[in-house]
Amino acid sequence: DAKTTQPTSMDCAEGRAANLPCNHSTISGNEYVYWYRQIHSQGPQYIIHGLKNNETNEMASLIITEDRKSSTLILPHATLRDTAVYYCIVRDWQGAQKLVFGQGTRLTINP
Amino acid sequence: GAGVSQSPSNKVTEKGKDVELRCDPISGHTALYWYRQRLGQGLEFLIYFQGNSAPDKSGLPSDRFSAERTGESVSTLTIQRTQQEDSAVYLCASSPDFVSTDTQYFGPGTRLTVL
Repeated sequence: DAKTTQPTSMDCAEGRAANLPCNHSTISGNEYVYWYRQIHSQGPQYIIHGLKNNETNEMASLIITEDRKSSTLILPHATLRDTAVYYCIVRDWQGAQKLVFGQGTRLTINP
Repeated sequence: GAGVSQSPSNKVTEKGKDVELRCDPISGHTALYWYRQRLGQGLEFLIYFQGNSAPDKSGLPSDRFSAERTGESVSTLTIQRTQQEDSAVYLCASSPDFVSTDTQYFGPGTRLTVL
């Protein structure tokens, strides 16, 4: 599995954009980048995924660099409810389609 | 519609006892996954089922762990002779199909405490 590297923790002010970086320098051509988040005491929640192009949905935007070695998840107007651990995952293409979770980034939104 | 449900939400057991955890996936989802999350840690993959194919058991930590799934419905994860290190939240997820782009939808988990 390609591994990802994320900062351990980040803080962001409520109402501001939260930009969460992720490095995945060993990603292969057919592997997608997924983002999930886990709010305290809940199961992980899907946010967004992409392959090469930037993606946007109602929750967030995903910016993937041209060489695909890194990406940034953007929460455009963070709220207190966005406080969670955010996981950047490169989807395993070989064999099982399991998600390989790292330690993630603990994002704290401050009032 | 209904999401993934798991039961019980909490389970406290004594060391050496067997426990059975249940997962009800989203209706129509063919793929089902079990993960384990120890306190303060990320998720560890345990096992996954896809339709009638043989399950991928590569993540099961020992032969005390087993899981079954009948068709595309309920799954049970069984831990025999529980140990204190088995204490964790056990999460189940399902997805519509077996392709790399499918999103996994997670249940709320079962918190297992082994005394």
